[in-house]
Amino acid sequence: EAQVTQNPRYLITVTGKKLTVTCSQNMNHEYMSWYRQDPGLGLRQIYYSMNVEVTDKGDVPEGYKVSRKEKRNFPLILESPSPNQTSLYFCASSLTGVQGYTFGSGTRLTVV
Amino acid sequence: GEDVEQSLFLSVREGDSSVINCTYTDSSSTYLYWYKQEPGAGLQLLTYIFSNMDMKQDQRLTVLLNKKDKHLSLRIADTQTGDSAIYFCAENRGGADGLTFGKGTHLIIQP
Repeated sequence: EAQVTQNPRYLITVTGKKLTVTCSQNMNHEYMSWYRQDPGLGLRQIYYSMNVEVTDKGDVPEGYKVSRKEKRNFPLILESPSPNQTSLYFCASSLTGVQGYTFGSGTRLTVV
Repeated sequence: GEDVEQSLFLSVREGDSSVINCTYTDSSSTYLYWYKQEPGAGLQLLTYIFSNMDMKQDQRLTVLLNKKDKHLSLRIADTQTGDSAIYFCAENRGGADGLTFGKGTHLIIQP
């Protein structure tokens, strides 16, 4: 089944403890993005990638890192999480970047 | 101002038509999208329209695009309880930097 898989679905962590949210797609898509969803703010893009080893900042990149060493994987790294990064995170991928993105099921992160 | 704007809530009666509206500001947008998010789920692409079109129909869904006014709408005919969700309008300006989303419209279905 064609899909975007994120792990974990739920995560509670403490301030300052490094964590990685994984994202993998099996559709050979070139484009991948990370978004966070917050009440009243909608979805905001954190980082995006156009291909292997090509990444760039979105609208809210502070406090996050990404890597794209292989086409299928696009992990989101929080080196030192803070409570303001408590949010619902979505990974998405697209073949062409314009004809719609396929979204993962989301990762609900709580930083205490 | 925001790039993409939507009303936060829309309440309709079951069986009526729902019309969700969206305005965008970037005239260079090439594709415009409607996504649906059900409670506890990710975003599902419902439909999209290319900027050189003014209407697209897909079963119960009709998308209307007014490029002059930068206005996009999604009409859901014969609204059912399963249509209850948050609907996001999004634009893509043709670059590789993904989508810009509105804040979403909560569609509430009354029996």
